[in-house]
Amino acid sequence: RKEVEQDPGPFNVPEGATVAFNCTYSNSASQSFFWYRQDCRKEPKLLMSVYSSGNEDGRFTAQLNRASQYISLLIRDSKLSDSATYLCVVNIATGTYKYIFGTGTRLKVLA
Amino acid sequence: SQTIHQWPATLVQPVGSPLSLECTVEGTSNPNLYWYRQAAGRGLQLLFYSVGIGQISSEVPQNLSASRPQDRQFILSSKKLLLSDSGFYLCAWNPDRGYEQYFGPGTRLTVT
Repeated sequence: RKEVEQDPGPFNVPEGATVAFNCTYSNSASQSFFWYRQDCRKEPKLLMSVYSSGNEDGRFTAQLNRASQYISLLIRDSKLSDSATYLCVVNIATGTYKYIFGTGTRLKVLA
Repeated sequence: SQTIHQWPATLVQPVGSPLSLECTVEGTSNPNLYWYRQAAGRGLQLLFYSVGIGQISSEVPQNLSASRPQDRQFILSSKKLLLSDSGFYLCAWNPDRGYEQYFGPGTRLTVT
């Protein structure tokens, strides 16, 4: 089993739609969780950290479910500019410098 | 504010040639520094990380090496490149373990 798993997609959605991605992780000692956005042939850029209580930033909402070991990202009112690959990232344990990246979920927002 | 630089942006090198990629961070002191590689269609793979000058930890045994000669400088090297070294090399920093990482623009390496 991979340490961090994501559905590769692509998710093709119309503008204005709501789309949700899930990411599962295998190490129950994982402590820090993040969502990054990566455009084609560019570096990953931090979208948001994921907190235990869940957090929201504009149209984006992230949730953490420790019991089931997954994190989610919800995008509301999708824009064409949201088209990208979304990477789930986990810092696998307290005191470690190792971050595990999922292979990403590709999103295409269609006009 | 902090910025992170990488160069060169692209590189085409023959098999067996040496490699040197450089990363520098501005606007912070004593950052943790990381080198990742992203092969085509694959996730990011951690290669090295450093918590201070001269302190390097290797995650994957291979023909690459890293050095940190100054607080905000991180260098990735190879004496002899292999075809399998092709990929997108990304440098990242964060202020401490567990915190979000910030990436440089990357170097796209093609070994021919």
